[in-house]
Amino acid sequence: AQKITQTQPGMFVQEKEAVTLDCTYDTSDQSYGLFWYKQPSSGEMIFLIYQGSYDEQNATEGRYSLNFQKARKSANLVISASQLGDSAMYFCAMRVSDTDKLIFGTGTRLQVFP
Amino acid sequence: GAVVSQHPSWVICKSGTSVKIECRSLDFQATTMFWYRQFPKQSLMLMATSNEGSKATYEQGVEKDKFLINHASLTLSTLTVTSAHPEDSSFYICSAKRGNEQFFGPGTRLTVL
Repeated sequence: AQKITQTQPGMFVQEKEAVTLDCTYDTSDQSYGLFWYKQPSSGEMIFLIYQGSYDEQNATEGRYSLNFQKARKSANLVISASQLGDSAMYFCAMRVSDTDKLIFGTGTRLQVFP
Repeated sequence: GAVVSQHPSWVICKSGTSVKIECRSLDFQATTMFWYRQFPKQSLMLMATSNEGSKATYEQGVEKDKFLINHASLTLSTLTVTSAHPEDSSFYICSAKRGNEQFFGPGTRLTVL
């Protein structure tokens, strides 16, 4: 069965520091996609970064990078130079192969303090 | 970028009434849209996949007669919560597929009294 696990219910980080949000996944499929979304208090889901299972290089998007370790089935999100506006819920998700369905983890609430 | 809207953004209704939530892709056509439900402080749970011109595909445990989905055009999918009850109170989010990505709407907060 496909599953996404986020073991950190909450994380704190000081402004300008880097933070890593953990995500592990479980699937027997060879082809899959991994996503990170940010959900501020307003509720909308904001796409941050995507990693395909066959991508050899870790994905990067500005201050966001994805530490993809396929053998360990982990896809951690690294946010560099944290900003106060980064405070939000962060969800890791996996696209099930041969479908467009997304399975979400339980999320991590990140709080950035001055 | 791809923009998806939802209407209304919040709604309060009486128990037993029906509520319709619209999901629109504003700047692209989406043959596939998705409806999710999110309880407070919990994750998103996929309710159904909405396909333009055909019946929606519901996830296990989701009552299709209670949550009616209509995807009548390439830019609009609607979710109707029929005979709403307080336990249906939740945050409903839609997404529209474009290429390999899903673009999410801002969500609709439903409160059933």
